Amino acid sequence: EAGVAQSPRYKIIEKRQSVAFWCNPISGHATLYWYQQILGQGPKLLIQFQNNGVVDDSQLPKDRFSAERLKGVDSTLKIQPAKLEDSAVYLCASSHFRRGSDYGYTFGSGTRLTVV
Amino acid sequence: AQTVTQSQPEMSVQEAETVTLSCTYDTSESDYYLFWYKQPPSRQMILVIRQEAYKQQNATENRFSVNFQKAAKSFSLKISDSQLGDAAMYFCAYRRAYSGAGSYQLTFGKGTKLSVIP
Repeated sequence: EAGVAQSPRYKIIEKRQSVAFWCNPISGHATLYWYQQILGQGPKLLIQFQNNGVVDDSQLPKDRFSAERLKGVDSTLKIQPAKLEDSAVYLCASSHFRRGSDYGYTFGSGTRLTVV
Repeated sequence: AQTVTQSQPEMSVQEAETVTLSCTYDTSESDYYLFWYKQPPSRQMILVIRQEAYKQQNATENRFSVNFQKAAKSFSLKISDSQLGDAAMYFCAYRRAYSGAGSYQLTFGKGTKLSVIP
């Protein structure tokens, strides 16, 4: 099966500019996640979608970050305006859980954002 | 809240030797999963091995095995016959078991950078 697709692979922007990342999950995976991985740390969840509804966005800085998942498939994560501390790798993942079966996560290759 | 701690920022091993990476975690839940992920420079998180908390038997996947000590909340990864391709960042992660709607986020440690010496 095809993996989780993300674009762009790299992005360099100036502070206060806006940026958007795109993710296409594995077909049929109802749950989609965006993680932020700052250099030297493990990934941290920003938002979890179940189909096109938000399940957990408790760690999303809502004053500057937004995300949507149209029609329960593709998702876009936006930062506006960007700050220097937003420099990180943004990982998208998808999963398909059901009781008695755990299919785990599949991660994309991420977008490396550098804010200068 | 759950926490995952990896106390070894960097480790090195000679090719063909064995290395053990440490991980401890904290949770109040009784049913959960623990994972080891490998992250090469390509950045994609690759699942190495998974352990269900309700299983007493330690998981194994070819050259990779874990030592799961539930009471001590310890979950170490042993890599046998280390190969050059094993060099990467390794992350320990926790996730609650599936029980219907809700958040299923992975909580990660800070990672251990493994170098393999030829």
